[in-house]
Amino acid sequence: GAGVSQSPSNKVTEKGKDVELRCDPISGHTALYWYRQRLGQGLEFLIYFQGNSAPDKSGLPSDRFSAERTGESVSTLTIQRTQQEDSAVYLCASSRSRTGVLETQYFGPGTRLLVL
Amino acid sequence: GESVGLHLPTLSVQEGDNSIINCAYSNSASDYFIWYKQESGKGPQFIIDIRSNMDKRQGQRVTVLLNKTVKHLSLQIAATQPGDSAVYFCAEKKDSSYKLIFGSGTRLLVRP
Repeated sequence: GAGVSQSPSNKVTEKGKDVELRCDPISGHTALYWYRQRLGQGLEFLIYFQGNSAPDKSGLPSDRFSAERTGESVSTLTIQRTQQEDSAVYLCASSRSRTGVLETQYFGPGTRLLVL
Repeated sequence: GESVGLHLPTLSVQEGDNSIINCAYSNSASDYFIWYKQESGKGPQFIIDIRSNMDKRQGQRVTVLLNKTVKHLSLQIAATQPGDSAVYFCAEKKDSSYKLIFGSGTRLLVRP
């Protein structure tokens, strides 16, 4: 079946502009995650959605970052008033549920954001 | 996740040799561990996982070893191939949590 898809694959923006990144999870996956990956570094957790439960936003670095998800489908990550430090790859992942011994997160290809 | 700046540790191996990639994890309460492979320009790809009640698990050409005493995880790749060149990340979590904590990654370079 189709994997996790993200759009756009690349985004170049000017400092101060808002950007919106999109994630389409695998069909049937109730859990969705956003991560940030700076150049040459590991993955930094941003936010987690599970079904209709309140999202865990504990990883969002500032109030310029927000994310939404409608039900168990598409999610959008919005960065307002972008800064150069926001330049990174933004990765989305989905999994069947938040519980379960062998839960595996499946990642999309990421959106490469460059803030000039 | 943790950060080591712009310079990832790099392991360079000859094609056909075995590779061993190491990871020190942070939380002694973690009970589930995963190895991911990330090729250039792509998202991380699941390789193999292991529960804390095991110390070894084998897949196709890959083996994961877990030493809970020293909080150490390793990934062994047999007969390394050029297609194995990538950055490898270990990740840990507790069963009761949905959060994966990623290590900083190791770059594997396979020499032809």
